[in-house]
Amino acid sequence: DSGVTQTPKHLITATGQRVTLRCSPRSGDLSVYWYQQSLDQGLQFLIQYYNGEERAKGNILERFSAQQFPDLHSELNLSSLELGDSALYFCASSATGTPNSPLHFGNGTRLTVT
Amino acid sequence: AQKVTQAQTEISVVEKEDVTLDCVYETRDTTYYLFWYKQPPSGELVFLIRRNSFDEQNEISGRYSWNFQKSTSSFNFTITASQVVDSAVYFCALGTSYDKVIFGPGTSLSVIP
Repeated sequence: DSGVTQTPKHLITATGQRVTLRCSPRSGDLSVYWYQQSLDQGLQFLIQYYNGEERAKGNILERFSAQQFPDLHSELNLSSLELGDSALYFCASSATGTPNSPLHFGNGTRLTVT
Repeated sequence: AQKVTQAQTEISVVEKEDVTLDCVYETRDTTYYLFWYKQPPSGELVFLIRRNSFDEQNEISGRYSWNFQKSTSSFNFTITASQVVDSAVYFCALGTSYDKVIFGPGTSLSVIP
């Protein structure tokens, strides 16, 4: 058990809808990362937060947004959903948010857009 | 630009065979960090090892060993005497001063009993 909690485990929704994925980092970790894993694009970095502030941004669509709250949990909001957004979304946390810090992953949220 | 290449998409071996998973990286940073992660069929990603760019010593942990060669920008992972429980997707990853960790496409390893 990595100590990172993601909810929900599964989400099925229709195109055009909006969903929120939630992540609680491992105790003591200040940084949260979001990754999208799809069959054709592998594990894609979306965004990173450190202690409530955005630290780095990857290939995150404008329809997607995220934030990290004062209690360090994070939410990833996906709106105007398209079929192509169907994927496994992982949250990871690290102690320092620096490049040398191993990532600890949650079990992921499997999003299916129909 | 940072990039991680894992040329082997899928590998299949018979139990007890040795297998090497290749990883080639690209970065202009002189300080960087390389990682291997394992994703078993259950889905969660598990951290295996980290190596710093200034430490080229190879590492062995039980049946696992890692060969880091800066001259060829490679960080290969060998499993000795493979077991069915080693069946998983293995990801090589690169962390640089750009503050994000990027992953290779992964190698799916199947160990057949």
